[in-house]
Amino acid sequence: AQKVTQAQTEISVVEKEDVTLDCVYETRDTTYYLFWYKQPPSGELVFLIRRNSFDEQNEISGRYSWNFQKSTSSFNFTITASQVVDSAVYFCALSEARPGNTPLVFGKGTRLSVIA
Amino acid sequence: DSGVTQTPKHLITATGQRVTLRCSPRSGDLSVYWYQQSLDQGLQFLIQYYNGEERAKGNILERFSAQQFPDLHSELNLSSLELGDSALYFCASSQRRGLPPDTQYFGPGTRLTVL
Repeated sequence: AQKVTQAQTEISVVEKEDVTLDCVYETRDTTYYLFWYKQPPSGELVFLIRRNSFDEQNEISGRYSWNFQKSTSSFNFTITASQVVDSAVYFCALSEARPGNTPLVFGKGTRLSVIA
Repeated sequence: DSGVTQTPKHLITATGQRVTLRCSPRSGDLSVYWYQQSLDQGLQFLIQYYNGEERAKGNILERFSAQQFPDLHSELNLSSLELGDSALYFCASSQRRGLPPDTQYFGPGTRLTVL
């Protein structure tokens, strides 16, 4: 069975600090997708990134970066120079990679509070 | 804007009642997924439809049912509502015809309150 663990329930940082959100996953599949979604206070779920299991290259998008390490089954998310607008709940998710798409298995989420 | 629409945005009803939540997927997407977000259970997959047919089932109660219509919109029906059904219900869509698996994009959600 697939499982996603986000051990950090809540994190609080001061604006401009860097913060890393941890995600550890379990799956028996050899190919799979990993995702991060953001849920701001308004409630919607916003897609941030998708990573294929055979692509271990790290990715950077502006202040956001992602570190995928298959050896430790981790897909961590770092926000550099955090801003108040980054305050949200962040979810890591996992799905099988097969035709027709498969449902997402979500972690419990990490609530990030960025204080001005 | 994800391109996925859900109506209504809020729904308040009483125990024992029945409600219908509606979802329109992104243009061209064939798959629709329903998820429930509650404080105690987190985000849980309920059911998936692909081009009108049920594709996968998750932790969906027997009191809940769904369908996907020929125009690809979907409805989630919740009946004999209980207090514990109060939650945020999300619809997501993905899967363009002939293309590899892709990302699920979520609608804004329907917040259901059962009193």
